[in-house]
Amino acid sequence: AQRVTQPEKLLSVFKGAPVELKCNYSYSGSPELFWYVQYSRQRLQLLLRHISRESIKGFTADLNKGETSFHLKKPFAQEEDSAMYYCALYGAGNMLTFGGGTRLMVKP
Amino acid sequence: EAGVVQSPRYKIIEKKQPVAFWCNPISGHNTLYWYLQNLGQGPELLIRYENEEAVDDSQLPKDRFSAERLKGVDSTLKIQPAELGDSAVYLCASSSSGLAGGEQFFGPGTRLTVL
Repeated sequence: AQRVTQPEKLLSVFKGAPVELKCNYSYSGSPELFWYVQYSRQRLQLLLRHISRESIKGFTADLNKGETSFHLKKPFAQEEDSAMYYCALYGAGNMLTFGGGTRLMVKP
Repeated sequence: EAGVVQSPRYKIIEKKQPVAFWCNPISGHNTLYWYLQNLGQGPELLIRYENEEAVDDSQLPKDRFSAERLKGVDSTLKIQPAELGDSAVYLCASSSSGLAGGEQFFGPGTRLTVL
């Protein structure tokens, strides 16, 4: 079975502070991991995927297979980063499994 | 491009009543998904279609839920009869075989309240 855990329901930081949203997964195969984001009153959308090794809106995420983690990081948070963030794993059965989500609040 | 379209956006019904949700995926996307999202949780897959075929419906409570995608384009999800515990957001998503499997495009969702 595949499982995604986001241990923090809420993360509150001040503007300009570094941000790290934690994601841990459980999967026996080789995972494909994603971060999705949902801004207020908008639909859920893809933020980034680990295979692309890209930086989107200043966010990066590195897959650590040893620690089974895929934490999302940004060195300097902006107010517009406030949103719900979901980590997701694409694995067995072509199934996308989501974590419970972390609400990021960036205070001015 | 309108993206994935869902209707209605909100629905309030009394328990034991039937309800249906409609989804129109992005043009050309052959894979369609229905997800259930309870408050404070991430989306959970209910059913996945590849064109007209339901290839994964293991999480769909078949005693009261049904879905169809007759022409391989738009889809309908039905609940009959609805129960209080069905109150949630129902999300539709679509993807294309040319994309990474986990790259899905989501609709705005239908928020169902069962009284």
